[in-house]
Amino acid sequence: ETGVTQTPRHLVMGMTNKKSLKCEQHLGHNAMYWYKQSAKKPLELMFVYNFKEQTENNSVPSRFSPECPNSSHLFLHLHTLQPEDSALYLCASSQYWGLAVSRDTQYFGPGTRLTVL
Amino acid sequence: DQQVKQNSPSLSVQEGRISILNCDYTNSMFDYFLWYKKYPAEGPTFLISISSIKDKNEDGRFTVFLNKSAKHLSLHIVPSQPGDSAVYFCAARLPYSSASKIIFGSGTRLSIRP
Repeated sequence: ETGVTQTPRHLVMGMTNKKSLKCEQHLGHNAMYWYKQSAKKPLELMFVYNFKEQTENNSVPSRFSPECPNSSHLFLHLHTLQPEDSALYLCASSQYWGLAVSRDTQYFGPGTRLTVL
Repeated sequence: DQQVKQNSPSLSVQEGRISILNCDYTNSMFDYFLWYKKYPAEGPTFLISISSIKDKNEDGRFTVFLNKSAKHLSLHIVPSQPGDSAVYFCAARLPYSSASKIIFGSGTRLSIRP
């Protein structure tokens, strides 16, 4: 399989549940990202990993915990979420961190539609 | 305060005509601008980009224009086709900085009617 894949595609969870989102990229990229997209809002960057090291945490609440075991896999662990955390969570990857080269771009996965009850 | 704004949440264009999607920005330090296209149930896909040192970039039916003095860019699609119906995101990058400085607009939903 090629590109960026995300599982599950849909997730419904209660506020006391613990769940994890998975992202995998088959592009040989070095940087991976988690974004949150809420309705009618811009994509919000949550975390950035460069060569498996976290380089950005955009003031994300601790109930979201990322993990990057290798440069191809990225997880987002969810714990005691709130209903306002319901959103589309997108994973992306790029060859270079921060699109340092002008021809670089981010490749996005299809997203996980999360609903918190 | 949004640094990248797409003020039109939706746009409807007849097939074969020109679609013009607009984007305004506030930070003059942005050096690179990108357009992404998103279909339902899929992630955004890169469409076209432009460096701040240029005022036009063309790729097939897609042309992006940049007006730095007005801090405005636009995406032109001509002729518009049914498959162009999607949400289009404008994004901007600060030079040699972290990904947190790649800032997206809220998107414009383009509908191509027959």
